[in-house]
Amino acid sequence: SQQGEEDPQALSIQEGENATMNCSYKTSINNLQWYRQNSGRGLVHLILIRSNEREKHSGRLRVTLDTSKKSSSLLITASRAADTASYFCATFGAGGGNKLTFGTGTQLKVEL
Amino acid sequence: EADIYQTPRYLVIGTGKKITLECSQTMGHDKMYWYQQDPGMELHLIHYSYGVNSTEKGDLSSESTVSRIRTEHFPLTLESARPSHTSQYLCASSTTGSNQPQHFGDGTRLSIL
Repeated sequence: SQQGEEDPQALSIQEGENATMNCSYKTSINNLQWYRQNSGRGLVHLILIRSNEREKHSGRLRVTLDTSKKSSSLLITASRAADTASYFCATFGAGGGNKLTFGTGTQLKVEL
Repeated sequence: EADIYQTPRYLVIGTGKKITLECSQTMGHDKMYWYQQDPGMELHLIHYSYGVNSTEKGDLSSESTVSRIRTEHFPLTLESARPSHTSQYLCASSTTGSNQPQHFGDGTRLSIL
């Protein structure tokens, strides 16, 4: 089964609203990363949070990490139509292996 | 924005053909990766490389093969394409170290008839 599972699977909001996506994972991690994928394109890295960090900000993005619950959340504030995309969390395991394991993704639609 | 390029972007081809998907990066990254992604689904790692002459199989079994003769180039080959190979293939690269993001190409959307 997946290392990372995200909810909701799909989210539709109005421009200006906040969007929150959640990610749960199963094993110990070194870091957790969030990526965005626009339709028909590759993934773009948004933010990385290390296992010893609890919160990180980048512009309109806020990421939290709770290693005791093995979960993370991505908050996009004041959303824009251009934020419409799929968002994936990915974990880098503490056991090494130099590999990222991706979650199932959340499809976000921001309507005007 | 990332300096990683995949060609072709789209390929529709018949069963039994030999296919090579190209991936090149100009960032000097040692690590490179191939992922397979079905529409709307998660990414599955099929191959990765730590550097020249290093290749490893990923988590998802794949009939494809890869080579890494040059740092910047990481091609993926299917010797005999089948309809089950229809998918999107994404190439990525990163620098050495655990706390490094991966940079992705725009992918090749492959359809086998």
